[in-house]
Amino acid sequence: RKEVEQDPGPFNVPEGATVAFNCTYSNSASQSFFWYRQDCRKEPKLLMSVYSSGNEDGRFTAQLNRASQYISLLIRDSKLSDSATYLCVVNPNLNAGNNRKLIWGLGTSLAVNP
Amino acid sequence: DGGITQSPKYLFRKEGQNVTLSCEQNLNHDAMYWYRQDPGQGLRLIYYSQIVNDFQKGDIAEGYSVSREKKESFPLTVTSAQKNPTAFYLCASSLTGGGGELFFGEGSRLTVL
Repeated sequence: RKEVEQDPGPFNVPEGATVAFNCTYSNSASQSFFWYRQDCRKEPKLLMSVYSSGNEDGRFTAQLNRASQYISLLIRDSKLSDSATYLCVVNPNLNAGNNRKLIWGLGTSLAVNP
Repeated sequence: DGGITQSPKYLFRKEGQNVTLSCEQNLNHDAMYWYRQDPGQGLRLIYYSQIVNDFQKGDIAEGYSVSREKKESFPLTVTSAQKNPTAFYLCASSLTGGGGELFFGEGSRLTVL
């Protein structure tokens, strides 16, 4: 099993739709989790951190399910500008403050259509 | 505006030549990283540095070298020993070595002919 797995997609959704992605991780001791967004041929940018209690930022909601070892990202009212690849990032290190241990998923591609 | 600047954006080189990719940040971040991104693979860490004059190998350091003589600068040299150098190279920084929030430069696309 891969350390971090994502459905590569692509997810094609109409504007205004709600879409959700999951990301599974293999190390049950993983401490911290993040969603990054990467536009085509550009650099990744942090979208949001994923807290145990869940995290909401406008149209975006991230959740963590430790029992089933996955994190999710929900996008409501999709916009054309949401089209991008969404990267799941997991820090498996017991010392959560160690960025060099980050494991990056391959990403899920989202295309929002007019 | 604070940020990370990578140069060049595009670079073509012949096999057997060393190339150096520049990375400069004015965010006053302590930690800096070099990643490589290839199609079908997640980001892979080449080298990282938590403080000036100190750096550590990442997962795929073979064929690469770095220096960290100044806090702002973390250049990466792709040597002729790197077997598959054609890739998208991303430099990143973070305030400290932890926290998970990395700021990336726009990347450098290296093509070896």
